[in-house]
Amino acid sequence: DQQVKQNSPSLSVQEGRISILNCDYTNSMFDYFLWYKKYPAEGPTFLISISSIKDKNEDGRFTVFLNKSAKHLSLHIVPSQPGDSAVYFCAVVNFGNEKLTFGTGTRLTIIP
Amino acid sequence: SQTIHQWPATLVQPVGSPLSLECTVEGTSNPNLYWYRQAAGRGLQLLFYSVGIGQISSEVPQNLSASRPQDRQFILSSKKLLLSDSGFYLCAWSAGTSGFYNEQFFGPGTRLTVL
Repeated sequence: DQQVKQNSPSLSVQEGRISILNCDYTNSMFDYFLWYKKYPAEGPTFLISISSIKDKNEDGRFTVFLNKSAKHLSLHIVPSQPGDSAVYFCAVVNFGNEKLTFGTGTRLTIIP
Repeated sequence: SQTIHQWPATLVQPVGSPLSLECTVEGTSNPNLYWYRQAAGRGLQLLFYSVGIGQISSEVPQNLSASRPQDRQFILSSKKLLLSDSGFYLCAWSAGTSGFYNEQFFGPGTRLTVL
């Protein structure tokens, strides 16, 4: 029972263009959503988050959008840079619960 | 500042051998601690988490166990490894404050290959 799904295992984007990574979840009780970035042989690092009371959060080149009715989360990176090439995981958590549930990840490749 | 250490970085073990992976956190006290596994082609799966010394919660039934002998030390073990235990193991910590979500910080990971 996969509660968090990232249906695109990989994505290739030209440098300078917009990268859009998608994430769907099944439980409407989730109330905090995060994106993590992971390079090979390293631990994930936190990128950006959004709580369920918002529908958008922006931090520099990164913007996370939340559509609660559709149970859909997306990460926009613009403009995309070669250093953005990594695996991106979305993660969800219930308020007050210390446990993260991760998606399966999307490997983003930025083409110079 | 807080840091998290994991060792070894890589490990190759035969089937049936024991396992011990160690994780330590510096610069904080009473953290929540977590073990995750990333298997090939799969996402990050939470294996164990701990909110205090000797307190371990298991998320999935498996061949592994965890222990927390000290406040900032978390150990992942197995008595007999299986081929399916191969993967990338990650330790993480978060502040132990209850009532709201605290960001988790991950260690560098251990690549385990069981042959």
